Amino acid sequence: QVHLVESGGGVVQPGRSLRLSCAASQFTFSDYIMYWVRQSPGKGLEWVSFISTDGTNKYYTDSVEGRFTASRDNSRNTLYLHMDNLRPEDTATYYCMTVLSLDSGNSPIWGLGTLVTVSS
Amino acid sequence: ETVMTQSPATLSVSPGETATLSCRASQSVGNNLAWYQQKPGQAPRLLIYGASIRATGIPARFSGSGSGTDFTLTISSLQSEDFAVYYCHQYGNWLMTFGQGTRLDIK
Repeated sequence: QVHLVESGGGVVQPGRSLRLSCAASQFTFSDYIMYWVRQSPGKGLEWVSFISTDGTNKYYTDSVEGRFTASRDNSRNTLYLHMDNLRPEDTATYYCMTVLSLDSGNSPIWGLGTLVTVSS
Repeated sequence: ETVMTQSPATLSVSPGETATLSCRASQSVGNNLAWYQQKPGQAPRLLIYGASIRATGIPARFSGSGSGTDFTLTISSLQSEDFAVYYCHQYGNWLMTFGQGTRLDIK
């Protein structure tokens, strides 16, 4: 069964850094674009970053541009999100996700998320 | 950016009845549309992908329809466990976007 498992969340002070990881299994990780999506408490879902299959192309939502960096290690089937200069408004559950090509069609798959709390 | 607009924001329906949720895209997304159910403290649960394909383990009372810009999630014979927030999600291009959610309440 396809799995995405996030880790690395926690409580961090404003201005500090944190690195999230997402371990992928049971699919060919290197073939797929990967995303980070977040959800602030009581709010909706927000796309945060995109990284191409080989890691050379990356895009970010405006509010994290210049502070967050996505990367991937295809040899370890792992996606990362390095978050610098964290702000209280970055408090959210962070999910990694991708869109798999199945016989039946293209299906999103998600991890269960990791909670990041930015607070002094 | 493709803007996804869900309606209504809140829907109150009695158990056993049918709920119809709508999602409109500002431009065509083909059939690259998913629906999720989310309960407090839980990750989104994939219900429908490809606009109309039920994900593994999803009961037949959940059905999706539409293509292009207009999509519908229909939940028939509502059960108590169906009352939650529902999101639509387009992944037709790399800049994926989400609807703001519809809260399905017990009437």
